[in-house]
Amino acid sequence: TQLLEQSPQFLSIQEGENLTVYCNSSSVFSSLQWYRQEPGEGPVLLVTVVTGGEVKKLKRLTFQFGDARKDSSLHITAAQPGDTGLYLCAGVPGAQKLVFGQGTRLTINP
Amino acid sequence: DAGVIQSPRHEVTEMGQEVTLRCKPISGHDYLFWYRQTMMRGLELLIYFNNNVPIDDSGMPEDRFSAKMPNASFSTLKIQPSEPRDSAVYFCASVEDRYNTEAFFGQGTRLTVV
Repeated sequence: TQLLEQSPQFLSIQEGENLTVYCNSSSVFSSLQWYRQEPGEGPVLLVTVVTGGEVKKLKRLTFQFGDARKDSSLHITAAQPGDTGLYLCAGVPGAQKLVFGQGTRLTINP
Repeated sequence: DAGVIQSPRHEVTEMGQEVTLRCKPISGHDYLFWYRQTMMRGLELLIYFNNNVPIDDSGMPEDRFSAKMPNASFSTLKIQPSEPRDSAVYFCASVEDRYNTEAFFGQGTRLTVV
C-alpha cells in the first residue's frame, strides 16, 4: 500500500493543452514536495509546499497544498514537449523518512 | 560540490553473486537515503541514515540486503546473494538537515541480475 497515491499514473496529451496531476494520502504531512525525473537521471526538486492551502507557481506550473495537508496537485498550463518526464510527489510522514508516490509519467506530443 | 556520486552506473551480474553499490553524499548533509526504483513499484525507500546511524531499515526487502555508512562521506548497499528480482535502478540521496529537506539524488546504479 502506497502512503502517497498519485493519479493518473500515465498521461499523454498534445502540446498546448492543460493538465492536472494529483497526489493524495490519508495521512497529514508537514510538507509535500514535487520532483521531476528525466530518463537516466535522479529526481530533481521542483517545489516544496508547507502551509495548508498554499499555492506556488513556477512559470507554467502551479502547485497547491490541500487545506488539510493530506493532498497536493500540480497543474501545467499550455504544456510543452519539454515538460515530458516523470513527476513524483514526496513527503515526510514522520522522523524525517522521505517517501515517494509512484509517479505520473507525462508525455507531451508536439 | 559535485553532488551525490554513485558507482557503478551500471552493473550486470549473475544470480548468486554479491553486489556492492556505493554512494558519496554531499558534504555536510546529515541524512542519506537508499531507494530502489522499478516500473511496477516506483521509488521505494530501503533504508536511511542520520549522521551515519541507520534509523529505519524497514524497507529492506530481505536479509540478503545490507547497508552501511562507516563515515559521513561514504555508504554502501550490498546484496548477497543477488537474484533476478533485484534488478532495478538503485538511487542514493542526501538531505542537508531536518529543516532543509530537499533531497539531492545521485544518477543511480542500474543493476541487472541474470
